[in-house]
Amino acid sequence: GQNIDQPTEMTATEGAIVQINCTYQTSGFNGLFWYQQHAGEAPTFLSYNVLDGLEEKGRFSSFLSRSKGYSYLLLKELQMKDSASYLCAVVRGDYKLSFGAGTTVTVRA
Amino acid sequence: IAGITQAPTSQILAAGRRMTLRCTQDMRHNAMYWYRQDLGLGLRLIHYSNTAGTTGKGEVPDGYSVSRANTDDFPLTLASAVPSQTSVYFCASSESAGGTDTQYFGPGTRLTVL
Repeated sequence: GQNIDQPTEMTATEGAIVQINCTYQTSGFNGLFWYQQHAGEAPTFLSYNVLDGLEEKGRFSSFLSRSKGYSYLLLKELQMKDSASYLCAVVRGDYKLSFGAGTTVTVRA
Repeated sequence: IAGITQAPTSQILAAGRRMTLRCTQDMRHNAMYWYRQDLGLGLRLIHYSNTAGTTGKGEVPDGYSVSRANTDDFPLTLASAVPSQTSVYFCASSESAGGTDTQYFGPGTRLTVL
C-alpha cells in the first residue's frame, strides 16, 4: 500500500517560518507535489520536485530527498492568507497521485 | 476563464437514488480524474481517464462509474447512493496522463447521502 505521512496541524505567528514535513513509502516514485487548499476551496498547485534538493519560489520553498523518502514545504514570512491545508502528493510508479491527509496551518496575528 | 467547472455545488440525496456529478474543462486537457476527499483521509482517486474514450479505475471505484465521450466532459455517476458516499468530490484535469503534469482541480461538489 501507499503510506504518506504529514502532521495534522501546525500553528505559527504572522511573519514567522513554518516547515511542513512529509514522509512517504509508495510503489515507485516519479516526483512529489505540494498543493495548497483553503477551507471550502479546490487544491491549487504550489510546487513539484523530482530531483533531490531545494526548489525556491518566492516565500515558498520545497525540498526533496529521494533516498530518505522525505520532503518538506517551507513557508517564510507567514501571512494570514497562508492559513490553509497543505497537501503532499506523490506520483507513484503508475503515474497516479497518492495524497497525504494534509496539514492544516493556522497563522495567528 | 473557467478552467474546470463542477455541478452541482452541493446536493443532499436519499439513499438508493441515482446521481450524476458533472465536470467540464475548457483547457483541452487529455487526462481527467475524480477524487473524493474525506476528513483525515486526504484525496482518494475514484476513476480516471487518460484520454477521450478511455477510462480506468482508481483506488476506490466501487459504487461509481464514469464515461468520457469527449475531451471536455467527465461525468461521475453513483448508481444507487449509500451514506458512505457522503463526501466532497473533486474533478481534476492535466495536460497529459504522464502523472508529472500539474493537476488542476474544480471547485468541488459536496454530497450528502441520507
